[in-house]
Amino acid sequence: QVQLVQSGAEVKKPGASVKVSCKASGYIFTNYGITWVRQAPGQGLEWMGWISASNGDTSFAQKLQGRVTMTTDTSTSTAYMELKSLRSDDTAVYFCARARPTTPTLFVYWGQGTLVTVSS
Amino acid sequence: QSALTQPASVSGSPGQSITISCTGTSSDVGDYNYVSWYQQHPGKAPKVMIYDVTKRPSGVSTRFSGSKSGNTASLTISGLQAEDEAHYYCSSYTSSFTLVFGGGTKLTVL
Repeated sequence: QVQLVQSGAEVKKPGASVKVSCKASGYIFTNYGITWVRQAPGQGLEWMGWISASNGDTSFAQKLQGRVTMTTDTSTSTAYMELKSLRSDDTAVYFCARARPTTPTLFVYWGQGTLVTVSS
Repeated sequence: QSALTQPASVSGSPGQSITISCTGTSSDVGDYNYVSWYQQHPGKAPKVMIYDVTKRPSGVSTRFSGSKSGNTASLTISGLQAEDEAHYYCSSYTSSFTLVFGGGTKLTVL
């Protein structure tokens, strides 16, 4: 069965960086993309970006351009999302989800979420 | 890219039908058939209920249906059940090769 397992909760200080991992299993990793979505406490879903696991193509939300990096390690079927220059409003639960291989659409399988808290 | 517009809340009684709207622009909802609807219960990951405007993933109840007219997509839930009470989010692919979510709608089953 398809599973996405994310790394554990993080507490970071403002200005620091965080890197969240998402390990996939149960399917051919390079046949799909991975998208990242975050949700601040009590708020809605915010799309962050997408990466193709086959060729590394990426697409990011405009407001996060320059601060977010997404990578994949096909040898371990793991996707990574790194967010730099953290601010308090980056405090959120971060989800990875399996996406289509060529467009950031159709998120059937989701990770369990990783809480990132940014606090001094 | 601005968020898609959804009503903040809708409500209905068990057995009734409700419709949630999702309004975008000609650069997203109006131009692509890549509208999805997600259901989210508190503390859980979202679950896709409708994708590509009208398609239902395997295992999703036939009580859920989707449609689109112009720049507005809609999710209809018929035969409301208590378990349908949740937040619902629409999303659409955009002309910038990105994705945008709606602000979310809280469905209350009275």
